Amino acid sequence: EAQVTQNPRYLITVTGKKLTVTCSQNMNHEYMSWYRQDPGLGLRQIYYSMNVEVTDKGDVPEGYKVSRKEKRNFPLILESPSPNQTSLYFCASHPLGGLSYGYTFGSGTRLTVV
Amino acid sequence: GENVEQHPSTLSVQEGDSAVIKCTYSDSASNYFPWYKQELGKGPQLIIDIRSNVGEKKDQRIAVTLNKTAKHFSLHITETQPEDSAVYFCAASIVSEKLVFGKGTKLTVNP
Repeated sequence: EAQVTQNPRYLITVTGKKLTVTCSQNMNHEYMSWYRQDPGLGLRQIYYSMNVEVTDKGDVPEGYKVSRKEKRNFPLILESPSPNQTSLYFCASHPLGGLSYGYTFGSGTRLTVV
Repeated sequence: GENVEQHPSTLSVQEGDSAVIKCTYSDSASNYFPWYKQELGKGPQLIIDIRSNVGEKKDQRIAVTLNKTAKHFSLHITETQPEDSAVYFCAASIVSEKLVFGKGTKLTVNP
C-alpha cells in the first residue's frame, strides 16, 4: 500500500530534550515536506526537500532541523523543544512533476512539550 | 508570497443539503488548486483538484469551480451525508510547487 508513515503518533516530552519524528514513504517520491497544524492557523510548512541531500526552509523553520540522506526518509528534528512547538505535525510527499496527483500525507504526530 | 483565504471557518448543514466553501488566492501565477478532506485523527486527503486552464471539475457529489479573473475557487458538495463531516482545506500553488493552504473549514452534516 502506498503510504507515508510517521512515528510516533503521540509524544509528550519536556522542554529542551532533543527528539526526532520519523517519516518514511514507499512511493519513490522526490519531494517531501513537514507541516505543522495549529487551531485557527491551518497547515504551515516547516521544511521541504526536493531530493536527497536537498532541503530548504518553509514558512516556520525556527527551532527545527531536517535531513534527507535517503530518498524514502525525511526525519524532523527538534534539538531543544519548547512549549510553543506543541502541535500536530504532518509529513507529506509527492512526485516532482506530478503535482496534479496531490500530496500524500502521513497520519500525523501529536507533540506536547511541557 | 501566495496567500490563501478560506471561508467560512465553520459550516453546519442538514443532511441532503448542499455545502459551499470558498477560497481566494493572491498570486495570479498560481496554477493548481487542490482540496483536501481531513477526518478526525487522520491526515489530509486529496479529494479533488483543478488546474488553471479548467473552469470546473466534477466528481460524483463534489465539484470545484475556478474564477481566474477574480482569483477565487470554490468547493461544492451536493446531497451531503454525515460522512462528509470533516475539516476541508483549499490550497494553491505557484511554479515552485509549494502548496499554500487555507486555514480550513469545519463542515458538520446533521442527520
